[in-house]
Order: sequence, then C-alpha cells, then structure tokens
Amino acid sequence: QQQVKQSPQSLIVQKGGISIINCAYENTAFDYFPWYQQFPGKGPALLIAIRPDVSEKKEGRFTISFNKSAKQFSLHIMDSQPGDSATYFCAARYSGAGSYQLTFGKGTKLSVIP
Amino acid sequence: ETGVTQSPTHLIKTRGQQVTLRCSSQSGHNTVSWYQQALGQGPQFIFQYYREEENGRGNFPPRFSGLQFPNYSSELNVNALELDDSALYLCASSSWGGEKLFFGSGTQLSVL
Repeated sequence: QQQVKQSPQSLIVQKGGISIINCAYENTAFDYFPWYQQFPGKGPALLIAIRPDVSEKKEGRFTISFNKSAKQFSLHIMDSQPGDSATYFCAARYSGAGSYQLTFGKGTKLSVIP
Repeated sequence: ETGVTQSPTHLIKTRGQQVTLRCSSQSGHNTVSWYQQALGQGPQFIFQYYREEENGRGNFPPRFSGLQFPNYSSELNVNALELDDSALYLCASSSWGGEKLFFGSGTQLSVL
C-alpha cells in the first residue's frame, strides 16, 4: 500500500535528448508527489512537485505528468545536459496519523553523455 | 545548499554499539524528519518530530529513537547497532505541514 515503484533503474541519454522516468503508486491517500535529485555525497534536493488535482506541471526543462486514474506520474527532462547526471527519486507524501511522511521510489541513475 | 546541517559526516561503529547523530534544521523550520538511505535505495522514513515530540514513525524498531530540542535541532540515536544499520542517515526540515522538505547531506554510518 505504501510502495512507490520507479522505472527505469538506470537511463543513458544523449545531450539534448529527453529523459523520462516513470513512477506508480497504490495508496490513494497520497496527497503530494515530489521529485528529488541527488548527487553523490549530497542529500536529495527538491526538483519539482505536483498535487493530485493537477495533470501537468512545468518548471523550466522539467515537467511532471500526473495520471490520477492510472495512479502513475512521470518526470520529463527536456534538452538533457551532462549536469543533469544524477540519481532521481520520485516520492509520494502520506499525511495521516499526525505526521507527514514521504515514501520514495528506488531511484533512477541518469547519465547524460555529450 | 540547504540550511540543514548534519554531524558527523562519517562514522564507523562496531556491532552492538550505540550511536548519536545530530541535525540542525533550517532557520524558521519547526519540523524534523529522519530518513535512512541504504546503498542503491531510496530514503526510508524513520520518524518525524514536531514540538519536541515524535508524531510519526516508519517501520523501524524501538532501538531507533530521537529527540528534538527547543531550538528545533534534533538527534537520532540507534542502540545495539546491527550490520544492516550501515546506511546514509538523512535529516530533513520543514515547516509543520509544509510540502517542501529540505535535506541535509547526511551522515554515512558504517557498522563493522
């Protein structure tokens, strides 16, 4: 119920290409869906996020598409750059029992090659 | 860089020992959450503190405990360390109910 499934595990994209990472969830009580970017030796940093009443959100080169009925959401990185090479995590927030907790996917290691 | 600082950055302990990890939250944030990130995995929620009380816990045994202080800084204590406790421990701060979590760079714990 609390699981968030993320794919692919790794992704290699040419510079200028589009990177697409997908996530699926089961728990309909999740109320907020962020994406985090993590570089080696650093903690995750919030990249972009969406609420379930919105189907798409775009910030610069990053877009989240959200399909509430299918319980799926995805991250699109347009014009991918070598500096985007990092591990990306989708997450879903559960707000209940007096706390707010994120459930993370297992991550996607993105490599953007020149 | 977030305003969340964690110490120490690295730690090596022996099985059965106890460890305390520390976190200073970002200015203006009153809620601290702790996450465990095993190698090659996503972070897993340990617990959350608000107003110096634990108000949510993930699937972690009682030997994982914490504290939050009046200045909103926090500690994570782990007793009777096991080999599987080796991981990156992340602290995240936020305002209560706030959607944006700001993570520190973590403490890398190795249990031998």
